[in-house]
Amino acid sequence: GAVVSQHPSRVICKSGTSVKIECRSLDFQATTMFWYRQFPKQSLMLMATSNEGSKATYEQGVEKDKFLINHASLTLSTLTVTSAHPEDSSFYICSARDYGGNGYNSPLHFGNGTRLTVT
Amino acid sequence: AQSVAQPEDQVNVAEGNPLTVKCTYSVSGNPYLFWYVQYPNRGLQFLLKYITGDNLVKGSYGFEAEFNKSQTSFHLKKPSALVSDSALYFCAVRAPGGNTDKLIFGTGTRLQVFP
Repeated sequence: GAVVSQHPSRVICKSGTSVKIECRSLDFQATTMFWYRQFPKQSLMLMATSNEGSKATYEQGVEKDKFLINHASLTLSTLTVTSAHPEDSSFYICSARDYGGNGYNSPLHFGNGTRLTVT
Repeated sequence: AQSVAQPEDQVNVAEGNPLTVKCTYSVSGNPYLFWYVQYPNRGLQFLLKYITGDNLVKGSYGFEAEFNKSQTSFHLKKPSALVSDSALYFCAVRAPGGNTDKLIFGTGTRLQVFP
């Protein structure tokens, strides 16, 4: 089945530094990837839709200059948290859809998430 | 706007007993509904989906869900719970039509199966 690999699984960084999270589709091409953020005991919040070869589409309230998304190839999207602060500490999850299945009705495949802790 | 509600934060059930995790939705038009499961510090895994057809959908790990249009519900069920089913379960909906590809997730229900 389709596999999405996310790296790193955990990262601790100091306040003010930047952190890059990678999301790769291992056995399918993903023209679109999605980045979610999950707070403790809460649901997933869609942050942005990453489009290969074009700008990402950000959800309302998400700072695009803080959460930089790059989708340079059909198998890789990156999320960079710039000038991280403790309030950015969260669980970040990427996902992608294998449109070769049932198109938009195909299920999303999720990475295992990245737990970011900003000290 | 489309939305999904999971009224229970937690469901407790004894191993071997049937389980139900509730989900109701609000969407214009015919809904596309999904259930996902999340284990600790992991991403979500797809369990099952309803697009069209039979109201009873069978999915992974022995789970099934029943689509009820009149009650706008899509409850997740399993006839006999296992301790290993303990996890966080999310219901999600995608509105049909257009080019939107977003899933709207419920707030999640933590299932605890006791031996």
